Order: sequence, then structure tokens, then C-alpha cells
Amino acid sequence: GAGVSQSPSNKVTEKGKDVELRCDPISGHTALYWYRQSLGQGLEFLIYFQGNSAPDKSGLPSDRFSAERTGGSVSTLTIQRTQQEDSAVYLCASSFDRKFYEQYFGPGTRLTVT
Amino acid sequence: DQQVKQNSPSLSVQEGRISILNCDYTNSMFDYFLWYKKYPAEGPTFLISISSIKDKNEDGRFTVFLNKSAKHLSLHIVPSQPGDSAVYFCAAREDSGGSNYKLTFGKGTLLTVNP
Repeated sequence: GAGVSQSPSNKVTEKGKDVELRCDPISGHTALYWYRQSLGQGLEFLIYFQGNSAPDKSGLPSDRFSAERTGGSVSTLTIQRTQQEDSAVYLCASSFDRKFYEQYFGPGTRLTVT
Repeated sequence: DQQVKQNSPSLSVQEGRISILNCDYTNSMFDYFLWYKKYPAEGPTFLISISSIKDKNEDGRFTVFLNKSAKHLSLHIVPSQPGDSAVYFCAAREDSGGSNYKLTFGKGTLLTVNP
């Protein structure tokens, strides 16, 4: 079946612009996660959705970052007034509720802020 | 403070030999550990996991060993194949009630298997 998909695969934006990153999880997966990987770093947890609600947003780096999920499916991560330090690969993952620790990842969106 | 550490950024082995990837952790509340494999331009792929109540889990050519007293785990790949060349991430889950969905990742180890 189809895996997790993300769009766009690459995004180059100017500092100060807003960007939206999209994630389509695996059908039937109730849990959805956003991570980012900066150069030379491990994956950094950003936010988790159970259904459409986000019980924990503490991983979001600043209030410029927000995320939503609609219909228990597609999720959008929005970064407002982008800064150069936001440049990273943004990864989305999904999982079944009972096996939330076995997360299936999308290919990521590489964001470059110039 | 890094709670999951992969101290070797890279490892090179010969095809057919054993690859051993190491991971250390500091948080004694971690109760589940996972290994992910990542090819370039792709997302990480779940490989194998182990619960803290076990000390070994085996799946085909892949075996994960957990030493709780040393807060150390390792992934053994035998025999290694060129297709195993990838970045391997160690990850851990902390069982802290409502936060038990969150994984903490290491920085990864690039494994190169030479033909």
C-alpha cells in the first residue's frame, strides 16, 4: 500500500516568508508525528497528533511554528516569518495507535531559507 | 543534553563480515529502543526494536542487544551486504505516561559495506 507522502520534496524560500509543509499519512494510522533533522543532527521531535488533536506541542521551536491535522488524515506544518536556522529536513511519520513506537516515515521536505 | 548518543559517525566493513553499531543512552526511564535505517533522500525505515525487559531480539540478519546496566545497546548485522549501506539511527521511548509517543533519536552512524 501507499506509504507516508510529503510535499513539496524541496522548498527554497526567502527569509521572512511563510511556508506550508504537507503530510499524507498511511491510511488508517491514527497517530501522526512531525520531526526535523538539521545538518549533522539527529531527528528532533516537533509535535504529535492523535486524531486531529495535538496533546503535546512542546517540541515546536517557537511560536512561529504551528501545525494542524484535519479529518484525522492530512497534516500541515506552517512556519511563519522563516529564519535561516529553520533550514532543515522536515519529516512526517505515522503509526497505528497501539504501535505508536513503530513509526513509518515519509521522505521529508528539505527546506532552505535564504 | 543528548540523551541518546551514537559516538561513531561512520563505520566501514567488508561484505560478509559483521557490522556492529553502538548506541548509549542516559535516561533510565527509556523502556523501548528502536533502530531505523535511512537511505539518502528517503525517510528513515523501521528496522528492529527491543523492550527494556529483554536483552536480545533477533530478526533475520539483524540482532539488537540491550545492556541496561551499562545503558548501552548495539545492532549486529551479519553477514553484512552492500545494500545495508545507509545511516542507522538509534531511538528510544520514555514511558512517562502521557508522553509515551515521543521518540528520542541519536545523530546516526553511516555504515558503508564494501564489496
